[in-house]
Amino acid sequence: AAGVIQSPRHLIKEKRETATLKCYPIPRHDTVYWYQQGPGQDPQFLISFYEKMQSDKGSIPDRFSAQQFSDYHSELNMSSLELGDSALYFCASSLTSPPTGELFFGEGSRLTVL
Amino acid sequence: GESVGLHLPTLSVQEGDNSIINCAYSNSASDYFIWYKQESGKGPQFIIDIRSNMDKRQGQRVTVLLNKTVKHLSLQIAATQPGDSAVYFCAERDNNDMRFGAGTRLTVKP
Repeated sequence: AAGVIQSPRHLIKEKRETATLKCYPIPRHDTVYWYQQGPGQDPQFLISFYEKMQSDKGSIPDRFSAQQFSDYHSELNMSSLELGDSALYFCASSLTSPPTGELFFGEGSRLTVL
Repeated sequence: GESVGLHLPTLSVQEGDNSIINCAYSNSASDYFIWYKQESGKGPQFIIDIRSNMDKRQGQRVTVLLNKTVKHLSLQIAATQPGDSAVYFCAERDNNDMRFGAGTRLTVKP
């Protein structure tokens, strides 16, 4: 069965650079969630989208933005990168918003900021 | 073996023993909870869920207990196996998303 696809899996950037992460949800899932997980930390909710509209917002920095496109894939754009942005970024999708069942997670994109 | 609250991030148990992982959630209005298992370098994987109109739900080798009075959730794993070694997170539905609690690292000793 198709799962949530994230790309790239690994990304290395310098401070003050920009990075873009992509997420392709499970087919027919209309809701996408972004989480940031620092080393040894729990996943922190950043932002979610339902039917291409922002659904909920968590601890997403102003330097970050995201959107969901007509094909339901989502992109997380991160600018003016800081060392502290180094983390695993997970995307998840669900059938409904608010979620009435589990969120399906991708394998994550590991961002390293040097 | 049993973990206590959110301040004991590790739990070590002997293979074959039962494990109990605890979680305190924050929002008394939360009506849906999930336990996730996360192996190193991978995304969280669904284990079991429970809705607030229930206080217990059983799966294969796992049981989730919900105590709404004290806002406490627990995951019981029967006959813990080496493959159960991972970090376990509870998550609660908060408006339109799921919010994670601090994880517990479970280590199974052979």
